[in-house]
Amino acid sequence: DTGVSQDPRHKITKRGQNVTFRCDPISEHNRLYWYRQTLGQGPEFLTYFQNEAQLEKSRLLSDRFSAERPKGSFSTLEIQRTEQGDSAMYLCASSLVKRDRAFAEQFFGPGTRLTVL
Amino acid sequence: AQSVTQLGSHVSVSEGALVLLRCNYSSSVPPYLFWYVQYPNQGLQLLLKYTTGATLVKGINGFEAEFKKSETSFHLTKPSAHMSDAAEYFCAVSEEGSGNTGKLIFGQGTTLQVKP
Repeated sequence: DTGVSQDPRHKITKRGQNVTFRCDPISEHNRLYWYRQTLGQGPEFLTYFQNEAQLEKSRLLSDRFSAERPKGSFSTLEIQRTEQGDSAMYLCASSLVKRDRAFAEQFFGPGTRLTVL
Repeated sequence: AQSVTQLGSHVSVSEGALVLLRCNYSSSVPPYLFWYVQYPNQGLQLLLKYTTGATLVKGINGFEAEFKKSETSFHLTKPSAHMSDAAEYFCAVSEEGSGNTGKLIFGQGTTLQVKP
């Protein structure tokens, strides 16, 4: 299966620690999105990349959050000095946007569930 | 700004009964509309989408939805519920047009319970 993969699937950490998540998109997909989903809510957009360029960041993405996609393939999301409010499911999605198309379906990974104690 | 409202956080139906999950959206530009399903501890799977053309769209697993511009609605239906339909359902909106970010704005979700 060559779908979107995320690692780890679960992460438990103590408040104040740094954590890093990885997302591997579908091969050759040029867009990659990060969303956050808290319990009982729908996913919320955090940021997205077109190839290696980070083109938009939500106001939800505080200074403690940083995302990279260095070679336009996999991406990492780092949270520094974690807080209990960071506990959530972090979802990654990828899509292939072509120049002449306005719509490209996003394919979601299984998510990384973060618990901050 | 775009937004999505799903009416009813929990919907319970009997197996074989009609499923109706409600979604209303707000958008200043022609929207793209989506329904996703999420099973426990899994990512989201696209059920169906409306971009342009026919306003009644059919998706996987027997689901369909109708885009009603005058009502700003995109309700999801299935004629006969199956036990395997029990899951969380999310309605989402995205902006149309080239150069768009493609980011999805989700509703808060509706949990569908199917009783035997």
